[in-house]
Amino acid sequence: QQKVQQSPESLIVPEGGMASLNCTSSDRNVDYFWWYRQHSGKSPKMLMSIFSNGEKEEGRFTVHLNKASLHTSLHIRDSQPSDSALYLCAGASSGSWQLIFGSGTQLTVMP
Amino acid sequence: SVLLYQKPNRDICQSGTSLKIQCVADSQVVSMFWYQQFQEQSLMLMATANEGSEATYESGFTKDKFPISRPNLTFSTLTVNNARPGDSSIYFCSSRAGEEVFFGKGTRLTVV
Repeated sequence: QQKVQQSPESLIVPEGGMASLNCTSSDRNVDYFWWYRQHSGKSPKMLMSIFSNGEKEEGRFTVHLNKASLHTSLHIRDSQPSDSALYLCAGASSGSWQLIFGSGTQLTVMP
Repeated sequence: SVLLYQKPNRDICQSGTSLKIQCVADSQVVSMFWYQQFQEQSLMLMATANEGSEATYESGFTKDKFPISRPNLTFSTLTVNNARPGDSSIYFCSSRAGEEVFFGKGTRLTVV
């Protein structure tokens, strides 16, 4: 079983809609999380990181983390076609920078 | 932040041959990480390379198959030995700056 699991595998939202992506760690040592976006043929680019319980917002992107359940979620509001990409959640133990990636969510935003 | 430059961007090699992938950072970094990504799938951590010490490999990756050198704080090389079609994938180097982990642009390897 993968240590970091993402859902759904794929997601289609209309332009202007809200996209919600989920990620859970099955390893209690993996409690720091990053969200990356990877457009086809490109390298992963970090969107946000979250290490403490609660919520962080940057522009249209909001991440939540519940450390008790080791669950993080990424929400994209006012989704744009340019947001269409593979979204990867990565986790690591505090103090370790060896990221363990989930299998990704393929987001498609329909114009 | 840290910028990571990989060379080559892509390569095609024959089965049984070896290929070297270079990664250069624009500043000194303690650790460099190497990842493998098959088409549109997750990234798998292959190994961690610190300066002056042997790389540590994750399960499924070995030093004989994927030797890694880290001669200084800005440079690392990943070699793919005895390349097979199953090694065809994208290889990324990465490193940390602050709380962010950055990636090079990747090397797309095709083994024929």
